[in-house]
Amino acid sequence: GAGVSQSPSNKVTEKGKDVELRCDPISGHTALYWYRQRLGQGLEFLIYFQGNSAPDKSGLPSDRFSAERTGESVSTLTIQRTQQEDSAVYLCASSLVRSARYFGPGTRLTVT
Amino acid sequence: GIQVEQSPPDLILQEGANSTLRCNFSDSVNNLQWFHQNPWGQLINLFYIPSGTKQNGRLSATTVATERYSLLYISSSQTTDSGVYFCAVEGSASKIIFGSGTRLSIRP
Repeated sequence: GAGVSQSPSNKVTEKGKDVELRCDPISGHTALYWYRQRLGQGLEFLIYFQGNSAPDKSGLPSDRFSAERTGESVSTLTIQRTQQEDSAVYLCASSLVRSARYFGPGTRLTVT
Repeated sequence: GIQVEQSPPDLILQEGANSTLRCNFSDSVNNLQWFHQNPWGQLINLFYIPSGTKQNGRLSATTVATERYSLLYISSSQTTDSGVYFCAVEGSASKIIFGSGTRLSIRP
């Protein structure tokens, strides 16, 4: 079956522009996660959605970052007024409750 | 929050060698996963193992939840095993926290 998909796979943007990243989770997965991975580093938690509950936004690094999820389907991560330090791979994962997480291929964001 | 420590941070082995990677965590967890991040950046599920032992081919994993650690064993290493191995745990807050990873390099 289809796994987690993310788009675009690569995004180059100028400093100060807004970007929108998309994640399509595995069908039926109620939980969805966004992570950020800077070059050569580990994964940094950003935000977690579980069903209709209020999202856990505790990992968002600043108010320039926001995310939405439509029901139990697609999610978008928006970064406003991008900065060079936002350059990273943004990874999305989905799962059933307390089950294995499955990751998408990521979106590589480069801010010039 | 939960702290996750992985060791060693780097490991270089000859093809055919065996290795053990360790993950320590600071609090009780609801689940634990091991991932392999290949050189292209894709995170591959290896094991979902909140407790007990599992095996899949040359790989096996053991989690001792009461002692707050998990081990990943790789036997007869191959060059394709190279990459970064991450341990990720879920605490009561349901978000998963990753360790900093073990970078494994297998020399032919």
